[in-house]
Amino acid sequence: AQKVTQAQTEISVVEKEDVTLDCVYETRDTTYYLFWYKQPPSGELVFLIRRNSFDEQNEISGRYSWNFQKSTSSFNFTITASQVVDSAVYFCALSDHRDDKIIFGKGTRLHILP
Amino acid sequence: EADIYQTPRYLVIGTGKKITLECSQTMGHDKMYWYQQDPGMELHLIHYSYGVNSTEKGDLSSESTVSRIRTEHFPLTLESARPSHTSQYLCASSEGGSSGIKRELFFGEGSRLTVL
Repeated sequence: AQKVTQAQTEISVVEKEDVTLDCVYETRDTTYYLFWYKQPPSGELVFLIRRNSFDEQNEISGRYSWNFQKSTSSFNFTITASQVVDSAVYFCALSDHRDDKIIFGKGTRLHILP
Repeated sequence: EADIYQTPRYLVIGTGKKITLECSQTMGHDKMYWYQQDPGMELHLIHYSYGVNSTEKGDLSSESTVSRIRTEHFPLTLESARPSHTSQYLCASSEGGSSGIKRELFFGEGSRLTVL
């Protein structure tokens, strides 16, 4: 069975600090896909990144970076030099090769304090 | 930018009323989904569709029903709304995906339903 665990329910940091959001997943498949989404107060989920299980390269996009480690089944997300606009709920998600359902973690609510 | 639209954004109705939440996408995506989001943020898949005339129930049991008569349209209906149906409903779509590549979901802004 698939499962995504985001152990951090809520995090608060002061602006300009770095923050890492943790994501641990479970799947029996060797082929799977991992995602991160951002949900700002407006409510719409915004896609941030997709990773397949064969690509363990870490990725950096501006202030955002992702660390994928199959050995620990983790796909962590780091925001460097956080800004108030980063305040949102962030979801990690998993989809395996066999079906088209995407399973979401429970989300981490991030507060960036000015 | 994703082109997926949900209406209404907000709806307050009385118990026993029939409601339909509309979802339309202009991207020609084959796959569409309905998620229910509870106040604790968690997202639960309640319905999905692989294409026209295809509908499947998701992981969370729901009294709602869906239809997929046209590729771009995936409405969700509650025949008799109850207070327990109060929630945020999010519609999403994705490409069919060639060679088994999983594509990301594009989400609408959501419909917040309150049943009194």
